[in-house]
Amino acid sequence: GAVVSQHPSWVICKSGTSVKIECRSLDFQATTMFWYRQFPKQSLMLMATSNEGSKATYEQGVEKDKFLINHASLTLSTLTVTSAHPEDSSFYICSARLPGTSGPYFGPGTRLTVT
Amino acid sequence: AQKVTQAQTEISVVEKEDVTLDCVYETRDTTYYLFWYKQPPSGELVFLIRRNSFDEQNEISGRYSWNFQKSTSSFNFTITASQVVDSAVYFCALSPGANSKLTFGKGITLSVRP
Repeated sequence: GAVVSQHPSWVICKSGTSVKIECRSLDFQATTMFWYRQFPKQSLMLMATSNEGSKATYEQGVEKDKFLINHASLTLSTLTVTSAHPEDSSFYICSARLPGTSGPYFGPGTRLTVT
Repeated sequence: AQKVTQAQTEISVVEKEDVTLDCVYETRDTTYYLFWYKQPPSGELVFLIRRNSFDEQNEISGRYSWNFQKSTSSFNFTITASQVVDSAVYFCALSPGANSKLTFGKGITLSVRP
């Protein structure tokens, strides 16, 4: 079964609004989670590394003020897309590793459409 | 910098054929991890295998097998007796540590026809 969950699985929002995506590790603590973005028919690109209790580390070219990441607990990381625009429409996927096992495992992803 | 190259973009086979998906990687790290993931049309990434750089032993799991060769920086994936349910996009990925960020290849779209 899945070890990482995401919510919502899909969301449609209007341009200029903000949307929050949740990533949860199920039955295990994840001090580090990763957020990726995947445009249609493309590969996954890392956006940021989410660290529990500290600031996220963003990859080059990713606007940290636009993509707010909060890792407030050992089982939850959130990604908030602020002032979303149509070009932010994408598939957002988080990952975490269950200690002592293989992986990392990915969440089922959140498909964001900005109209 | 780390790089993963999946030169094949699309592969189409008939059911029961064997198919090999190629993966070539570049890294300056002496310790690293290699992965294969499957992404069916639903979008969810399914973990298939993780291999560390010190373990060159090839692995077989059911119809799946992996050939890791450090000498050629390759980590190829073979599906034996392919099935329609194997149709998906397959990604090879590389990371400097077991819990580090992954660098993905561009993916290979595999279509298995009945």
